[in-house]
Amino acid sequence: DTEVTQTPKHLVMGMTNKKSLKCEQHMGHRAMYWYKQKAKKPPELMFVYSYEKLSINESVPSRFSPECPNSSLLNLHLHALQPEDSALYLCASSQDPPTSGEGKTQYFGPGTRLLVL
Amino acid sequence: AQSVTQLDSHVSVSEGTPVLLRCNYSSSYSPSLFWYVQHPNKGLQLLLKYTSAATLVKGINGFEAEFKKSETSFHLTKPSAHMSDAAEYFCVARNYGGSQGNLIFGKGTKLSVKP
Repeated sequence: DTEVTQTPKHLVMGMTNKKSLKCEQHMGHRAMYWYKQKAKKPPELMFVYSYEKLSINESVPSRFSPECPNSSLLNLHLHALQPEDSALYLCASSQDPPTSGEGKTQYFGPGTRLLVL
Repeated sequence: AQSVTQLDSHVSVSEGTPVLLRCNYSSSYSPSLFWYVQHPNKGLQLLLKYTSAATLVKGINGFEAEFKKSETSFHLTKPSAHMSDAAEYFCVARNYGGSQGNLIFGKGTKLSVKP
């Protein structure tokens, strides 16, 4: 089973709201990722967690705050977003962290479509 | 620097005819290459991957891709298109330099299938 789940499927929020996106995998994967995808574009990497520790932050604004409470869960906390942050947010996981091991294939969840008003 | 180029932004085929989606890569290292498919309003699904084993890689849903080092290509093919194949396809390479852990995505090819 290579399933990554994400909730919610859709989210509408105002610029002053605080919300969270959730991602879960039960494959025992040791790396988890957040991507942002704008319409008609490929995904862009935001964050990478390896062994529950943040290993890569691709210069993402602080209004996006990732959290990895345990090896199966990854959250993305959102605060004071801008309309240009509206996008599809994708979570992915891989068996091994990206810098080691052979199991680097990333498996993606279905995404959360976010609209910021 | 590594890069992935998908040569067509849009490919249109008739149902039952062959599919060819073209991808070229550049890499100083032995590459790991992937094809992902994204149906409308969905996440990315792994179709197949090449990791220096057999050069002809078979994936799900009848797709396959051939790694050709001399041509630096990894084209995706399917003998007979089905309506359900209509989607966006991304050719992807692992990034061995710079920010570790990145996947390098091509810009995507939208496949349309006509009845």
